[in-house]
Amino acid sequence: EVHLLESGGSLVQPGGSLRLSCAASGFTFSSYAMSWVRQAPGKGLEWVSALSDSGYSTYYADSVKGRFTISRDNSKNTLYLQMNSLRAGDTAVYYCVQDGSNGWFGYWGQGTQVTVSS
Amino acid sequence: EIVMTQSPATLSVSPGERATLSCRASQSVNNFLAWYQQKPGQPPRLLIYGASTRATGIPARFSGSGSETEFTLTISSLQSEDFAVYFCQHYYKWPPLTFGGGTKVEMK
Repeated sequence: EVHLLESGGSLVQPGGSLRLSCAASGFTFSSYAMSWVRQAPGKGLEWVSALSDSGYSTYYADSVKGRFTISRDNSKNTLYLQMNSLRAGDTAVYYCVQDGSNGWFGYWGQGTQVTVSS
Repeated sequence: EIVMTQSPATLSVSPGERATLSCRASQSVNNFLAWYQQKPGQPPRLLIYGASTRATGIPARFSGSGSETEFTLTISSLQSEDFAVYFCQHYYKWPPLTFGGGTKVEMK
């Protein structure tokens, strides 16, 4: 059974940094592209970033480009999202998602809450 | 960026009735379209990909249709567990990947 467990979310001040992690199990992690998708309180879904199975290709939404960095450690079956220069608009639940095939998301984690506030 | 627009924002349906949800893309996305269901406090769940292929374990009462810019998710006979928010998402010529704003299916 596929399982994605996010961690690292917390309350952080504007301008601060945070690193999210996603521990994956139940599938061959190194064979799948992965993404982060976020959802602000009471709002819709926003794709944030994607990473190829090898880790060599990265993609970002314009809203986070230059501030967030996605990475993975295939030896640890873990996906990361380094978030710098955080803003109030980054407040959201962040979901780790498995890319089924070139952009649709077959499995989602339960999410981790990130709150940016002073 | 391809903008996805869903309608209606809210759909009031009685159990057992048919629900029809629409999703429009600002430009052709071929059939690179997925649908998700989200219940309160839960992550989204994949229902449909490739515009019409049901994901594993999804009941047959859920069906997807359409191509290019116009797509439909149909729930043939609404069950109590189907009251939720539904999102469409394109995955054609990305980044970025974009979602529609969602349709809330509520009990009439």
